[in-house]
Amino acid sequence: DQQVKQNSPSLSVQEGRISILNCDYTNSMFDYFLWYKKYPAEGPTFLISISSIKDKNEDGRFTVFLNKSAKHLSLHIVPSQPGDSAVYFCAASADGNKLVFGAGTILRVKS
Amino acid sequence: DVKVTQSSRYLVKRTGEKVFLECVQDMDHENMFWYRQDPGLGLRLIYFSYDVKMKEKGDIPEGYSVSREKKERFSLILESASTNQTSMYLCASSFLAGGPVEQFFGPGTRLTVL
Repeated sequence: DQQVKQNSPSLSVQEGRISILNCDYTNSMFDYFLWYKKYPAEGPTFLISISSIKDKNEDGRFTVFLNKSAKHLSLHIVPSQPGDSAVYFCAASADGNKLVFGAGTILRVKS
Repeated sequence: DVKVTQSSRYLVKRTGEKVFLECVQDMDHENMFWYRQDPGLGLRLIYFSYDVKMKEKGDIPEGYSVSREKKERFSLILESASTNQTSMYLCASSFLAGGPVEQFFGPGTRLTVL
């Protein structure tokens, strides 16, 4: 049973527009959430995280929103750039050490 | 910069062969992890280790074993490779912390079992 779900396998966005990637989780013990970005033939790289005591965290063009009551988080990328085209993984942790990953969303930013 | 290296980028093995995947990190991290990545399934944890000679099963340990004899090195072993173990294998490391910490990943090994 998938505890972290990314229901959109892919997303296509025009350059300059907002990209919104979504993630749902089922385990209420999760208290730390991360987004990773992965290019083909490379390992995932950390993008941004959020603790359950916050509902928003920003880092430049990237913002993560957390809605604990809905068990939902989202990653906003504004403005989207062609170099953002990659697979984005949502991950969650209950103990700070082990991560549970979603299936990933392929983002394509068209120029 | 944290560096996690994996011994091979691509491997092709035959069914029944014993396969060793090596991972080395240079940041003195206590935790090390092995994942496999498959389309539509994301990253699934195979095994992890929080100290030398310590190991714990992840979500899909069947058909795999691990070895951690030194802090910087974590090996994944496929005792008898099967075609359903064809996958991308990713190693990661992190500090052992009381609070949340990010994991740093290696570039991955694309394993094909024929």
